Formats: sequence, C-alpha cells, structure tokens
Amino acid sequence: KNEVEQSPQNLTAQEGEFITINCSYSVGISALHWLQQHPGGGIVSLFMLSSGKKKHGRLIATINIQEKHSSLHITASHPRDSAVYICAVRSGDTDKLIFGTGTRLQVFP
Amino acid sequence: NAGVMQNPRHLVRRRGQEARLRCSPMKGHSHVYWYRQLPEEGLKFMVYLQKENIIDESGMPKERFSAEFPKEGPSILRIQQVVRGDSAAYFCASSRNGRGQETQYFGPGTRLLVL
Repeated sequence: KNEVEQSPQNLTAQEGEFITINCSYSVGISALHWLQQHPGGGIVSLFMLSSGKKKHGRLIATINIQEKHSSLHITASHPRDSAVYICAVRSGDTDKLIFGTGTRLQVFP
Repeated sequence: NAGVMQNPRHLVRRRGQEARLRCSPMKGHSHVYWYRQLPEEGLKFMVYLQKENIIDESGMPKERFSAEFPKEGPSILRIQQVVRGDSAAYFCASSRNGRGQETQYFGPGTRLLVL
C-alpha cells in the first residue's frame, strides 16, 4: 500500500463544475503539498499546508491532520485546469517528499 | 527573480553513454532535491543536497548514479553507462532552508531518452 493515496485517479468534468480531489496518507508529516503538472510540462506548487485551509483564486486546499486527509477543490472549473494534480507529503522526520500517483483531470467546454 | 533552472530540457543518449543533468536553484536557495518520474509512474525522491553536502541519498540507485552540489555552480545529477530503464523525466527542486515547512520550487525538468 502506498504511503500517499489519491482519488480519483482520473476525473472528467464539464466546464463550471465543482471538483474535489482527495489525498490520504499513512505517515507522520510536517507539511503537505498540492502540485500541478501539465502534459509534458513542469511542476507548479499550488499549496503547502500543515493545518486548516488555504485559498488561492478558484483553488481551495484543506487538511485534517487527525484523519490524515487532504482535499483540493476547484470551483467553477475551466478547460485550462486540465492537468495532473499531485499530492505530496513531507515526512515528519526527513525533508524528502513522498508523492501520490496523481489525479488526471480533464475539463471539457 | 529567476526560478529553478534545469538544462538540458531534453537529452538523448545511447546505451552506455553518460548523462549529466544540471540544476540551478532559485537565488538564495541552498537546498536542492532531485526527483525522477518514470513513464506512467509517479514522482520518486532520489537525493537531497545542501551546498557541498549530500543530506539524504536514500532514493538513489546504488550504482551508476551520483549527485553533487558544489560551492560554486549548479547541482549535477550524473548517470554513468545509461540503460533504457533510465529514460525518465528528472526534476530538481530547491528551497531556501531544509526545514519541514519550506516550499520546494520545481524546475521544468530534464527529459532523458536512452536509445
């Protein structure tokens, strides 16, 4: 079993829909990252959080430390949101990131 | 303030050749991380370096792979005698400090293809 699990693996949506991507982890962490990767492209860090909730534009990230769970929400989704979204945790006793396998999102107009 | 830079962006090597991948961290960042993304797989940690020191190399293959981050110049990931299984995207990230809650900023990656 992977230390970081994401669901769903694939997600399709119509433009304007509200999207939720989930991440569960089984290790102690010091922080959790949400990353975005476009096809053939680089990786952009969207959020880093260790508690509570963060919002940036149409993106919202939440984390529940007790339940070892985080969610990434996209409101009013747009085709340009189509990408792979990756959850990564920083293990509490090291500085390396442990990655989920990613959620591939496609938003259709 | 330029972001993390990696070069080359694409690298083609024949089996048995050497591959050298470079990473220049963001200005003011002294911590560098290398990650590998195999085709259709997730990202995996390889090595974490601070200037002139390897902090954690637990993700590095035991043979053929080495990394350095000299006092001056970029960090180098070196793969000797490449094999087809080394074909992957290699990403570098940097942070200002190596503390648990520092954001890591990623470079655009180097896509290595071994023929």
